[in-house]
Formats: sequence, C-alpha cells, structure tokens
Amino acid sequence: NAGVMQNPRHLVRRRGQEARLRCSPMKGHSHVYWYRQLPEEGLKFMVYLQKENIIDESGMPKERFSAEFPKEGPSILRIQQVVRGDSAAYFCASSLGQGSSYEQYFGPGTRLTVT
Amino acid sequence: AQSVAQPEDQVNVAEGNPLTVKCTYSVSGNPYLFWYVQYPNRGLQFLLKYITGDNLVKGSYGFEAEFNKSQTSFHLKKPSALVSDSALYFCAVRDRGNNDMRFGAGTRLTVKP
Repeated sequence: NAGVMQNPRHLVRRRGQEARLRCSPMKGHSHVYWYRQLPEEGLKFMVYLQKENIIDESGMPKERFSAEFPKEGPSILRIQQVVRGDSAAYFCASSLGQGSSYEQYFGPGTRLTVT
Repeated sequence: AQSVAQPEDQVNVAEGNPLTVKCTYSVSGNPYLFWYVQYPNRGLQFLLKYITGDNLVKGSYGFEAEFNKSQTSFHLKKPSALVSDSALYFCAVRDRGNNDMRFGAGTRLTVKP
C-alpha cells in the first residue's frame, strides 16, 4: 500500500514564475492537508481539503497561493509569482477521517528553491 | 487557541540510556496529542497519539509517551536509546473540532554510541 506521494521532490523556480506541487494521498484517504516547513522550524498548517472542497484555508497566505483537490487526480498547491521567501519544504499529509483524533500520514515533501 | 512547546532544541543521550523529549501544550478544551519523527530529507512519520483513556501511550519503535493533564505535558520516552533513533522529533496538538494541527519547533535527538 503506497504511502502519500509528492512530486516533484525538488523544484527550482526563478522569482516571478509559478510553482505547482502535487500530492496523492494514501489509498482510501480523502482528507488532505498542506504544511510549510522553514529550515530548523516546525510545520505550519496551510490548508485542509476534501475532494472538491476547501475546508479550512486559514493558514494560507491571502495572495499568490491556492490549493485544490479535484474529484480525480492529485491535490495541487499552486504558488504564483514566487518570491525568495517562498523557499521552503512543503509537506502534504492525508488522513482517513475528518475527526481531530485521526493521525495524519505525511509525504516526503517538495523542497522549493526560489532563485 | 492551541499551541505546543518543545523546550529543548537538542537532546543528547548515550546509546542504551533512557531518553526523554519534552513537550507541553496549551488548548482551550481537551487535546489530542501526537508525536512524529522526521529523518533527514524525509516526511514526518507518525509515532503515537493520545486521544483518551490510559495516560501512558505506547507507539512505534519502542517509544511511549505519558499524558499529564495537570502539567499539560506529553513527554516522549524510550527506556533504551538506539543510535538509529537520532532524528528530529515533533510534538503536535489538535483541539477537538479543529482542523489545524499545531506543531512544536522540534527537538533534535542525537544518540551517541
């Protein structure tokens, strides 16, 4: 049973370009979370999605960032017009259920470098 | 509001000795508490969680954690450390009904042979 898959693992973008990060949850999981991790820091919640719905985007910057989880295919985190401060590791997690007690399973992350 | 603190950036122990990684939390209601481990260039791996019931929770790789409501703590422990336990450990808390999980800043555990 494959775990959470993320691609690409490493992404380099120049300032002003767009970054697209993809996440396929574990089989049977329909709840997806995105987190950002800066070097030597913990993870910061960005957004929580279920299929075709954004449930909570309270951690998402208001501009340039968007996320989706379509009926078919992976979840996408999109960053438009990237800036150097967007350089970070972005982790996706999935869970089996919606309740707060469900543990989340994390992907290996996408390391975004903005040059 | 919910938050979690890991007061130690770094913990060093000798192989075979017991280890403790500390975590304290703050929530407005009853917490769900989690421990995760992160190896270099990898995602987080779930170790254990406290939901309700017995205050001592046993998890993967011989780790356990004790929920202490009066001290609002959830320290991670292992009776005998291995060199392979060296990694970054994150405590996380989630208030019931909240979508977002709050992570501590992490504690780097180094186990020396």
